[in-house]
Order: sequence, then C-alpha cells, then structure tokens
Amino acid sequence: AQTVTQSQPEMSVQEAETVTLSCTYDTSESDYYLFWYKQPPSRQMILVIRQEAYKQQNATENRFSVNFQKAAKSFSLKISDSQLGDAAMYFCAYTVDVIQGAQKLVFGQGTRLTINP
Amino acid sequence: DAGITQSPRHKVTETGTPVTLRCHQTENHRYMYWYRQDPGHGLRLIHYSYGVKDTDKGEVSDGYSVSRSKTEDFLLTLESATSSQTSVYFCAISPWGRETQYFGPGTRLLVL
Repeated sequence: AQTVTQSQPEMSVQEAETVTLSCTYDTSESDYYLFWYKQPPSRQMILVIRQEAYKQQNATENRFSVNFQKAAKSFSLKISDSQLGDAAMYFCAYTVDVIQGAQKLVFGQGTRLTINP
Repeated sequence: DAGITQSPRHKVTETGTPVTLRCHQTENHRYMYWYRQDPGHGLRLIHYSYGVKDTDKGEVSDGYSVSRSKTEDFLLTLESATSSQTSVYFCAISPWGRETQYFGPGTRLLVL
C-alpha cells in the first residue's frame, strides 16, 4: 500500500525552541524521494526539504533537518530555533514512479504546527 | 519561485455544470500534475502529463478529464460538477521525473 502516516495532527512549540514532526511511510520501492512541504494560511505549498532515499546522509536546510531511517521507513522533520513564521500545516510526501519518467507524490494528512510567542 | 499560475483562483458553480481549471507555466517543464486537497486526505493525484498531448490518470480521476495542447498549459475539466468535487485544486510542475514538484497557488472550487 502507498501510504504516509503523520501521527501528530497538531503540535505546538514555544518560539526559539525545537520541535520534531514525525512521518512514516510504506513503499516497496528502493529508490524514491521524500519531501516535507509547508502550507501556511495562504495555502501555497512550499518545499521545506528533500531527501533522496539512496543517500544515507540526512538532508539539512538552515534550521530544518531530517532524520531519515530507511529500514524503518521513517522520515521526521526537526525545526530548530522555531520562529513565528514557521506556523503552518506540514506535509510529508514521497515519490512513486508512474510512466515515462513521471512521479506522483503520496502525501500524509498533515501536521498543524503552532508557534507560541 | 517557479512560474506557475492557476486560474481562476476561486470559483463557485452549480451541480451539473462543466468547469475548466487552467494551469499555466513559464518554466518550459515537461511534467505537469493536478492534485486535489481535501480535509483528512492530504493531496491526491488526479491526472498528470508527461508531455504535450501525453496524459494519464491518477488515483482519483473519476469525473475529471485533462488536456495539454502546448507545453505551458494543462487544463483540468469537470464535465459535470458534483458536490463531491468541492475542493482545493493544485497544479504542480517538474522539469524531469526525478525532481522536486513545485506547486501553483491553488484554486478553491465550491460546487453547490
């Protein structure tokens, strides 16, 4: 089954602290990509970070980093030094090959992150 | 940001009427996708295109058709809108298959 599970529908964190959002997924493929997208109230889907499954090194983008555990099919997002602008819905997703090189994204249901000042 | 626009941005229509949503890109990317977003479901793929006039179905394609007559435009048509098609629709593009998909701003559709 192609599924993504984000077990935390809502989370909150104090400004400047660290928070970790969890994600597990189910795929039979060995080569795929994983993403975290952020959706603020504007509704725009914004790429936060990307991980290639064949790379063991965890991806990092400024205050955002991931903990990728391929065998466990786990892909958590850590946000350090949380800022008010980080408040949003966060979606975890992975790619599935379709045809002619196209890939579809399979999304989780999202985690709503609130930042408390 | 990738050059992707969607039109209209908001639409209210009645059950049984046809509706066409447009995705326009200025990036000359090969791959284009239509997703819908509903509460409790995240985003789900409706249709996708891997080139001009080359399209295929996604996981929730019933009631939808698409067309791509030129690289920059990907149209999503609801032949006869139903209330279950009330949703937010996102277009996404990528330059090649194994690359990040970048999303348009979304279209909020309400079918009464």
